Amino acid sequence: DSGVTQTPKHLITATGQRVTLRCSPRSGDLSVYWYQQSLDQGLQFLIQYYNGEERAKGNILERFSAQQFPDLHSELNLSSLELGDSALYFCASSVTPGQTGAFFGQGTRLTVV
Amino acid sequence: SQQGEEDPQALSIQEGENATMNCSYKTSINNLQWYRQNSGRGLVHLILIRSNEREKHSGRLRVTLDTSKKSSSLLITASRAADTASYFCATDANRDDKIIFGKGTRLHILP
Repeated sequence: DSGVTQTPKHLITATGQRVTLRCSPRSGDLSVYWYQQSLDQGLQFLIQYYNGEERAKGNILERFSAQQFPDLHSELNLSSLELGDSALYFCASSVTPGQTGAFFGQGTRLTVV
Repeated sequence: SQQGEEDPQALSIQEGENATMNCSYKTSINNLQWYRQNSGRGLVHLILIRSNEREKHSGRLRVTLDTSKKSSSLLITASRAADTASYFCATDANRDDKIIFGKGTRLHILP
């Protein structure tokens, strides 16, 4: 168990809908990362937060947004869902960006039908 | 975009043999990390090597880093069936705190 909790584990929704994925980082970790993993694109970096503030942005679509709350949990919001958004979404946390490795949650498997 | 690129894409070896995976990257880095992923599960951090280090060991794992060639290798000695997984290198670049992953090497240990 990595200590990073992601909910829900599975999500099936229709095209055009909006979903929210939740991540609770390891106790004491200030940094949260979000990744999307699909078969053809590999593990794509979406966005990183550090202590509530956006720190780095990757290939995140405009339909996607995220935030980190004062209690350090984070949410990834995906809207106007398309079939191609079906993927595994991972959250990871670390103590200090650039100094330590990241601990990954078990992921949320999103299926858009 | 991918920063690191692993080679080979897939590798099958007999149990007990050593497995070597390579990673090349493009820009200067703070550190390079290796992760393991069992099918459909979360990634597990294996080892981190800083840009000023050349070699690091952890149990049966040995990682080397050559910043002049922008490359790293992961050696797993005396492989076991439980080592069957995908292995990813990830880089933490100098200019930001993104951890960018390669596409991984699928390692299969044959009994």
